[in-house]
Amino acid sequence: NAGVTQTPKFRVLKTGQSMTLLCAQDMNHEYMYWYRQDPGMGLRLIHYSVGEGTTAKGEVPDGYNVSRLKKQNFLLGLESAAPSQTSVYFCASSLTPSSTDTQYFGPGTRLTVL
Amino acid sequence: GQQLNQSPQSMFIQEGEDVSMNCTSSSIFNTWLWYKQDPGEGPVLLIALYKAGELTSNGRLTAQFGITRKDSFLNISASIPSDVGIYFCAGDPFSGGYNKLIFGAGTRLAVHP
Repeated sequence: NAGVTQTPKFRVLKTGQSMTLLCAQDMNHEYMYWYRQDPGMGLRLIHYSVGEGTTAKGEVPDGYNVSRLKKQNFLLGLESAAPSQTSVYFCASSLTPSSTDTQYFGPGTRLTVL
Repeated sequence: GQQLNQSPQSMFIQEGEDVSMNCTSSSIFNTWLWYKQDPGEGPVLLIALYKAGELTSNGRLTAQFGITRKDSFLNISASIPSDVGIYFCAGDPFSGGYNKLIFGAGTRLAVHP
C-alpha cells in the first residue's frame, strides 16, 4: 500500500494564479483532511471530508475550496493564490472520525506564491 | 481558537542524553497524541493517550496524559542521531467533532553524535 500520496511535491505560483493539489489514499478511509503548516505554528486544519461527496470547513478555510468526488481522492483548490498561502500543505486520512483512530499523513506539498 | 503551548521550541543535545518536552492547554483535552516529522515527510504518530494519568511507552519514548487533562509530556531516553526531527503534540479538544485535532507548534530536536 502506498498510504497517502500527494501531488505535486513542490510548486511555485504567481499571485492570482490557480492550482489544485491532489491527495490520494489507498486505505479505504472515509475521512480525509487538508492542513497547512507554517513556521513556528502547528498544523492547522483547512477543510475536511467525512465521506465521498461531503466537505466541511476547518479552522482556516478562507481562500481554499475542496472536493471529494471519489472516496480515495481529496482535492484542495486555490482559485486566486496569494502570498499568504505560501505554506506546506499536508493531507491526512483516517478510518473513523474518532480521535482514537490514527490520522495518516502524506509527505506534503511545498507551495510558494510570489 | 484553542491553542497548545509546546515547549521547548528547539533542543540541541548530545547523543545518549535524555530529552523531555511538553504541551499545555488552557482547556481540557480528551486525547493527546505525539507525532514525529522527519525532514521532507509528513508527521507520523508515535504515541496516543486516551485517559487522564495514562503513561504509555513506545521503545525509548514515554508519554503521559496529565491528570488535569490540560497537559502532556514526551520523554526520549538515550537519544540517537535518528531521533532528529520535529515532534508535535496534538489534542482532541473534546468538541465531539470529526477528529479535529489541535496541534502544537513543535519541538525541533537536533542530536549531536
